[in-house]
Amino acid sequence: DARVTQTPRHKVTEMGQEVTMRCQPILGHNTVFWYRQTMMQGLELLAYFRNRAPLDDSGMPKDRFSAEMPDATLATLKIQPSEPRDSAVYFCASGLSAGLISDTQYFGPGTRLTVL
Amino acid sequence: DQQVKQNSPSLSVQEGRISILNCDYTNSMFDYFLWYKKYPAEGPTFLISISSIKDKNEDGRFTVFLNKSAKHLSLHIVPSQPGDSAVYFCAAGNAGNNRKLIWGLGTSLAVNP
Repeated sequence: DARVTQTPRHKVTEMGQEVTMRCQPILGHNTVFWYRQTMMQGLELLAYFRNRAPLDDSGMPKDRFSAEMPDATLATLKIQPSEPRDSAVYFCASGLSAGLISDTQYFGPGTRLTVL
Repeated sequence: DQQVKQNSPSLSVQEGRISILNCDYTNSMFDYFLWYKKYPAEGPTFLISISSIKDKNEDGRFTVFLNKSAKHLSLHIVPSQPGDSAVYFCAAGNAGNNRKLIWGLGTSLAVNP
């Protein structure tokens, strides 16, 4: 049963520290999405990649967030420096894209980040 | 400004009855709509979708209705089962703005035995 995996599942850190979240997409999927879920804003798209190339990161605060895909099996989302307002659940999703909005996204279990 | 609104944060129904979850949107450019279901400590999973060229799509116990003039869609679950207890997210997008979905805040459904 192929699944998207995310590590760590929980992260508690102090303001100013660097946070790195990792995602392993489903083998063979060519698109990766990073979302942030908060109570007030719901699910917000931060960035997405197709064939490891970033296609849209307009939802991401550029001054402190960065997203990369070093290879097809790993996507990373970094926050440096972290702030209390970054506390949220961060989801990674992957998909097999035909370039259509109807392509299904498969979500990982999320990383719950708490910045003190 | 929420472009996709799920105005009911929670809903409780009896097992065997119909569950109706509602979603409103403001952007008339949206032409594709999806529902995802989320259990605690898991990521959302795709449930059902509908294109704006249709007004109804059915998959087993799940039916989504789209009213474009009212900018409203609803998810019907019949009959509801305890395993349907989850948070349901409505999402919408435009095929021209490829793959960028706008999500609602979710509705927590509790199906009571």
